[in-house]
Amino acid sequence: EVKLVESGGGLVQPGRSLKLSCAASGFSFNDYWMGWVRQAPGKGLEWIGEINQDSSTINYTPSLKDKFTISRDNAQNTLYLQMSKLGSEDTAIYYCARGPAYWGQGTLVTVSS
Amino acid sequence: DIVMTQGALPNPVPSGESASITCQSSKSLLHSNGKTYLNWYLQRPGQSPQFLIYWMSTRASGVSDRFSGSGSGTDFTLKISRVEAEDVGVYYCQQDLEFPLTFGSGTKLEIK
Repeated sequence: EVKLVESGGGLVQPGRSLKLSCAASGFSFNDYWMGWVRQAPGKGLEWIGEINQDSSTINYTPSLKDKFTISRDNAQNTLYLQMSKLGSEDTAIYYCARGPAYWGQGTLVTVSS
Repeated sequence: DIVMTQGALPNPVPSGESASITCQSSKSLLHSNGKTYLNWYLQRPGQSPQFLIYWMSTRASGVSDRFSGSGSGTDFTLKISRVEAEDVGVYYCQQDLEFPLTFGSGTKLEIK
């Protein structure tokens, strides 16, 4: 069974950084592109970006490219999202996804002083 | 970026009736390989999105045949036949023809 479990969310002050993790299991992690999607409270889905199997290609939505960095550790079956210079607009549930079909339960990031 | 625009539903929809959700893209999603790169998702309240349809009209594994997708290169419809209580939630279309992938703003389905 494919399982994706996000962690690392919580309350963070404006301007600070935060790194999210996504632990994958139930499939061969290093065979798949992996990505992140977020959803602000009461709002729609926003695609953040995706990383290919060997980390040689990473695509971002342009508005987040300078703030967010996606990486992966295939030995640890883990996907990461490094977020910097966080603002209130980054308050959201962050989902890890394998393609369109498999999503984690999400981790909530709240940016507030 | 490709902009995805979704229509609203005349909520609530009577149980057992059909509901059609529309989605338009600012650019044709028809690839030269003949496939149209349009996905549909359902997000039930408090849950992660569930994958419903890919390539505009192909149901994902385990998805009820009450859900069907159709359309052209830029105009798409998700039809839900015989709506049930479990269909309640927000439906999103998404293009995965090119990066950045983009979602529609969502269409809420309520049932009476």
